[in-house]
Amino acid sequence: GAVVSQHPSRVICKSGTSVKIECRSLDFQATTMFWYRQFPKKSLMLMATSNEGSKATYEQGVEKDKFLINHASLTLSTLTVTSAHPEDSSFYICSARPMDRAGITEAFFGQGTRLTVV
Amino acid sequence: LAKTTQPISMDSYEGQEVNITCSHNNIATNDYITWYQQFPSQGPRFIIQGYKTKVTNEVASLFIPADRKSSTLSLPRVSLSDTAVYYCLVGDMGGYSTLTFGKGTMLLVSP
Repeated sequence: GAVVSQHPSRVICKSGTSVKIECRSLDFQATTMFWYRQFPKKSLMLMATSNEGSKATYEQGVEKDKFLINHASLTLSTLTVTSAHPEDSSFYICSARPMDRAGITEAFFGQGTRLTVV
Repeated sequence: LAKTTQPISMDSYEGQEVNITCSHNNIATNDYITWYQQFPSQGPRFIIQGYKTKVTNEVASLFIPADRKSSTLSLPRVSLSDTAVYYCLVGDMGGYSTLTFGKGTMLLVSP
């Protein structure tokens, strides 16, 4: 199956600093990638849709100035949590669907990034 | 996107068959049904996808009745490693379509 890789898998940062999370599609191209956030024992919540070459689309209630998304190429999207606070501590997961493989419709997910803000 | 309803949790024992049913009364004509598995601190992993009738792969079967208002994920002979959260998603599987996760079903497999 297709592979989506996230980096880092785990990060601890100080309150007020910024953290960048990378999401790469290793063996396919993805015009669109999706960013989710998951709190303990909760389901995944869609934060934003990352579009290659254009602005991301944010879900209601997600601050676009706090969660900066850049999708500069067809295989890389980044999520930057700016001025992080302890309440931003969560599990962040990216997802993408292959755009260049006929018949494949399922989405593939990265392994997730555990962010802890202290 | 069609809303889905699943049991919050299920218990089973090793070697048993587990059937998890998902209700999606408002499923649209273009919608597919997809199931994902998630282990703690990992991203969801695709299990199976279908549109109608029955789909089977090496890990599971998916049963979809004619009205498509529900679906059942069947896991044959579960093992301890099948303990996970299982999500049923319904939606247009076009590349730009978002996936909305419901609460999922926490399956606990005991020895």
